[in-house]
Amino acid sequence: AQSVTQPDIHITVSEGASLELRCNYSYGATPYLFWYVQSPGQGLQLLLKYFSGDTLVQGIKGFEAEFKRSQSSFNLRKPSVHWSDAAEYFCAVGDGSASKIIFGSGTRLSIRP
Amino acid sequence: SAVISQKPSRDICQRGTSLTIQCQVDSQVTMMFWYRQQPGQSLTLIATANQGSEATYESGFVIDKFPISRPNLTFSTLTVSNMSPEDSSIYLCSVTVGGSRTDTQYFGPGTRLTVL
Repeated sequence: AQSVTQPDIHITVSEGASLELRCNYSYGATPYLFWYVQSPGQGLQLLLKYFSGDTLVQGIKGFEAEFKRSQSSFNLRKPSVHWSDAAEYFCAVGDGSASKIIFGSGTRLSIRP
Repeated sequence: SAVISQKPSRDICQRGTSLTIQCQVDSQVTMMFWYRQQPGQSLTLIATANQGSEATYESGFVIDKFPISRPNLTFSTLTVSNMSPEDSSIYLCSVTVGGSRTDTQYFGPGTRLTVL
């Protein structure tokens, strides 16, 4: 069975600074990987996904993620964060599809003015 | 993509009562899912609801507590029965859209339930 770990519970970065949120997965084959964002009081919004092909994936809101099979990682990055990026970020892994996905515990991002 | 709405958006209920949450999608979808997000926690899959068949429940969740209906390809309901304060959570429905190799799961806005 697949699993996903987000080692950082809470991260604070300054507005305009770069961001990297870590995600490690466990799955025997090539996984389906996702990053979702949940703003306060909101549902989940898909930022980006990886199924195959180019290991650097571009998403919405200026986010990107890189799939590294050798490290079993799918870290989320943004070169310059905005105050509106403050939210909870969830990494998720699917077992060959998006139909049954397992979520990580989430990383709460705070932005320092 | 898919546009998903849920009703109610939030509710405060007394223990021992039941609440039915509705999920409506703007297009026909085969698979719908119900998740629970307890305060400060991640999402946990409750069950998968396919039209025309019984819902499939994950370990730790039972039909008597969380009965699900799926009368057509655009609608589903989740009932939280005989509620206790431990049921206070956000309940989200989701759907998968796309082909088998490129499908993506989209989520509704959630229903915030508080049980007193």
